[in-house]
Amino acid sequence: DGGITQSPKYLFRKEGQNVTLSCEQNLNHDAMYWYRQDPGQGLRLIYYSQIVNDFQKGDIAEGYSVSREKKESFPLTVTSAQKNPTAFYLCASSGRDSQPQHFGDGTRLSIL
Amino acid sequence: EDQVTQSPEALRLQEGESSSLNCSYTVSGLRGLFWYRQDPGKGPEFLFTLYSAGEEKEKERLKATLTKKESFLHITAPKPEDSATYLCAVQAGGYQKVTFGTGTKLQVIP
Repeated sequence: DGGITQSPKYLFRKEGQNVTLSCEQNLNHDAMYWYRQDPGQGLRLIYYSQIVNDFQKGDIAEGYSVSREKKESFPLTVTSAQKNPTAFYLCASSGRDSQPQHFGDGTRLSIL
Repeated sequence: EDQVTQSPEALRLQEGESSSLNCSYTVSGLRGLFWYRQDPGKGPEFLFTLYSAGEEKEKERLKATLTKKESFLHITAPKPEDSATYLCAVQAGGYQKVTFGTGTKLQVIP
């Protein structure tokens, strides 16, 4: 079955540590996205990529980094510069213009 | 700036009690409006896309409609398994970027 796989499901970060969240899709979608979801808030866009080797900052990119070396993969690194990383992180992908985004099942990141 | 407002924030229905969820939006050049269902601890599941005013889509007990300023998600004779948070999102302008509302949390009681 085609879909989006996020791993791990739960992740814990220590002070000063960078952590990387994995996102893989087999939908042959060009565009991929990372969102952060906090209680009572809508999904907020961190980064998005419309094509391999290209990505743009979203609304809350500070303290995060991404890469897009393969069409299928869009990993997100939460750096130590992100002072409030505890959240539910969602990865999504979509086809061309105005096609709906399809989501993975998320990674919940907590601070130790 | 694109804005999406969903109401109510929470809705509690008896099984079989039909109702509607509202999504009001302010955008320049709507390209698409999307409805999603999200269960606790899961990613949003795509339900519908609406592209132009007057368009309607149906799936089982759900029906989505669109006007120039808002969209409604009508739930007919809901069942407990319809309990979830329903998210509305809009895509506008020339970008892939999508703006999400904060959702309506629906609880259907047997």
